[in-house]
Amino acid sequence: AQKVTQAQTEISVVEKEDVTLDCVYETRDTTYYLFWYKQPPSGELVFLIRRNSFDEQNEISGRYSWNFQKSTSSFNFTITASQVVDSAVYFCALSVGKYGANSKLTFGKGITLSVRP
Amino acid sequence: NAGVMQNPRHLVRRRGQEARLRCSPMKGHSHVYWYRQLPEEGLKFMVYLQKENIIDESGMPKERFSAEFPKEGPSILRIQQVVRGDSAAYFCASDRGQETQYFGPGTRLLVL
Repeated sequence: AQKVTQAQTEISVVEKEDVTLDCVYETRDTTYYLFWYKQPPSGELVFLIRRNSFDEQNEISGRYSWNFQKSTSSFNFTITASQVVDSAVYFCALSVGKYGANSKLTFGKGITLSVRP
Repeated sequence: NAGVMQNPRHLVRRRGQEARLRCSPMKGHSHVYWYRQLPEEGLKFMVYLQKENIIDESGMPKERFSAEFPKEGPSILRIQQVVRGDSAAYFCASDRGQETQYFGPGTRLLVL
């Protein structure tokens, strides 16, 4: 069975601070995908990033960066110079298996990030 | 390009009534997934469908819940005889199969 743990439940920072959101996953599959989604106060789910299990390169997109480490089964997300608009719930998710099999997402419980002006 | 569409966005039902939630996938996507977000909980997978087929319904409650994705038209998640515990946000997602799932805006169901 798959499991995603987001141990932090709520984080509060002041604008312009850097913040890291942790994600630890469990799976016995060797082929899997990891995701981050953002849920702003308006409620929709916004896709941020997807990584596959064979690509451990870190990724940077503007103020966002992701650190994937298979050795520790972690896929952490860092926001640099946080802004008030970053306030949201952030979900880490996992899907496993080859094409057409077990494509469902297993989500962590989410981290509520509040960025204060 | 239209994203995943869900309607209604908000739905109020009294206990015992039926709720029908609709989802139209993104253009070109033939795989649909339904997830439920209960208060204070994360998102939980319910069912995965392709056109006219249920592929994985391991997350669906055994009674009162059903889902379909007909050859023509949107996917429907149907909840019969709703109870207060069914109050939640129901999200639909779509993809082309083992790719990134894109989510709709969700349907907020409130059972009175």
